[in-house]
Amino acid sequence: AQKITQTQPGMFVQEKEAVTLDCTYDTSDPSYGLFWYKQPSSGEMIFLIYQGSYDQQNATEGRYSLNFQKARKSANLVISASQLGDSAMYFCAMREGSTQGGSEKLVFGKGTKLTVNP
Amino acid sequence: NAGVTQTPKFQVLKTGQSMTLQCAQDMNHEYMSWYRQDPGMGLRLIHYSVGAGITDQGEVPNGYNVSRSTTEDFPLRLLSAAPSQTSVYFCASSYGGGGTEAFFGQGTRLTVV
Repeated sequence: AQKITQTQPGMFVQEKEAVTLDCTYDTSDPSYGLFWYKQPSSGEMIFLIYQGSYDQQNATEGRYSLNFQKARKSANLVISASQLGDSAMYFCAMREGSTQGGSEKLVFGKGTKLTVNP
Repeated sequence: NAGVTQTPKFQVLKTGQSMTLQCAQDMNHEYMSWYRQDPGMGLRLIHYSVGAGITDQGEVPNGYNVSRSTTEDFPLRLLSAAPSQTSVYFCASSYGGGGTEAFFGQGTRLTVV
């Protein structure tokens, strides 16, 4: 069974609108962390946002927020006020185990390709 | 800071050849990893290390070797290249302490013919 599921292969959004990219995860470990990365066409992996399993509040970083619903095992990324530069692949990833460790064993979803239209 | 540096950026190998992908980080990170990215598959973990002298296998380790003699370097060796190893390879590093993201190198695009 997949540990990280991203059900939207592609998404389209109009510039300046908000968009939600879905991510569901599967783990029996009570300690885990969830990450979102952006991969533009140039290929680099850019960290966007992190949510720990024990965090009480949803993470936010500028225009990015994470809609964390622990009971549903979902960690959706919300991008507000989309910009043309947001067009990229977006990956959800999970680290299982103690939240005090490193991120050497990330499990990635297959990604969602976001296209922002002018 | 240079961050995570991978060399080379592009490489073409013939089937059966061996080579080493280099990865160096200058952030004094304990944790390092190698991933491969194939179309439609996301990133998959090949090998990882939690410190100098300590390595372990990830999801897809076959055909690859690693070693970690220093904190800074984590080379990935392809023993006998096969067309199935055509992929984009990413090295990543992180430090411990909770909530710490992995920093990725720019990637190496490898083609095995």
